[in-house]
Amino acid sequence: GAGVSQTPSNKVTEKGKYVELRCDPISGHTALYWYRQSLGQGPEFLIYFQGTGAADDSGLPNDRFFAVRPEGSVSTLKIQRTERGDSAVYLCASSPTSGMDETQYFGPGTRLLVL
Amino acid sequence: AQKITQTQPGMFVQEKEAVTLDCTYDTSDQSYGLFWYKQPSSGEMIFLIYQGSYDEQNATEGRYSLNFQKARKSANLVISASQLGDSAMYFCAMREGPNRDDKIIFGKGTRLHILP
Repeated sequence: GAGVSQTPSNKVTEKGKYVELRCDPISGHTALYWYRQSLGQGPEFLIYFQGTGAADDSGLPNDRFFAVRPEGSVSTLKIQRTERGDSAVYLCASSPTSGMDETQYFGPGTRLLVL
Repeated sequence: AQKITQTQPGMFVQEKEAVTLDCTYDTSDQSYGLFWYKQPSSGEMIFLIYQGSYDEQNATEGRYSLNFQKARKSANLVISASQLGDSAMYFCAMREGPNRDDKIIFGKGTRLHILP
C-alpha cells in the first residue's frame, strides 16, 4: 500500500530503557507529524517536520523525547529513560505541502507499553 | 481552555438512522480548518471530512456532512443512513492559522455505537 507505515506495531519495554519508533510517510509528502494518544483521549501533537527540519517541537513533553528526519522522508521518534507514563499509542501522520490537499494522513500507530 | 469540545462521550443510534456528533471549537484566528476523523477499534485514524473557515458552503463527503455554524463556533458531523460499520470513535479537530502544515488539535472524541 501507499499509506503511512509505522514500526513496530507494538513495543513493550522496561522502565528506564531507550526506545525508537519509526515512521515511513506517504511518498512525496514533505510534512510529517508525530502525535501521542493516551487511552480514552484524542491524539496530542508532539512534533512536526517540514523536510528535514523540525518546524515545531512545542509538543514534546520533556528532553527525554527527541525526533529526527535526516533525509526528509523516514522519521524516528526516540524516547530515553522511558517512564510508565510514556505508555500510549504513538501516531505518525504526513501531508503534502503543495496543492489543495489539506489533510493529514495517519499511520496505524505504535502501541508502547512501559512496564 | 479546551480548543475542541465534544460533549458526547458516547452515543447509541439505531442502524439506518441519521446521527449528529457535536463539536464546538475555540479560536481567535480568522483562518482555520476543521476536520473529522474516524478511529475504529483497530486504531487507525481515518480522515472523513474537512471544512475551511472561509468556505461558505457546508462540506459533504458521501454520507458525511459538516454542519458549519461559524458564529456559534460549531462544526457538527452528520452521518446519514448509519451503518453497523460506522461504530467507532469520532474525533473533531482544528488547525489554526493559514498554513496547511500547521499541527492539528483534537477533541476527546465521541464513541458511536450503531445498533442492529
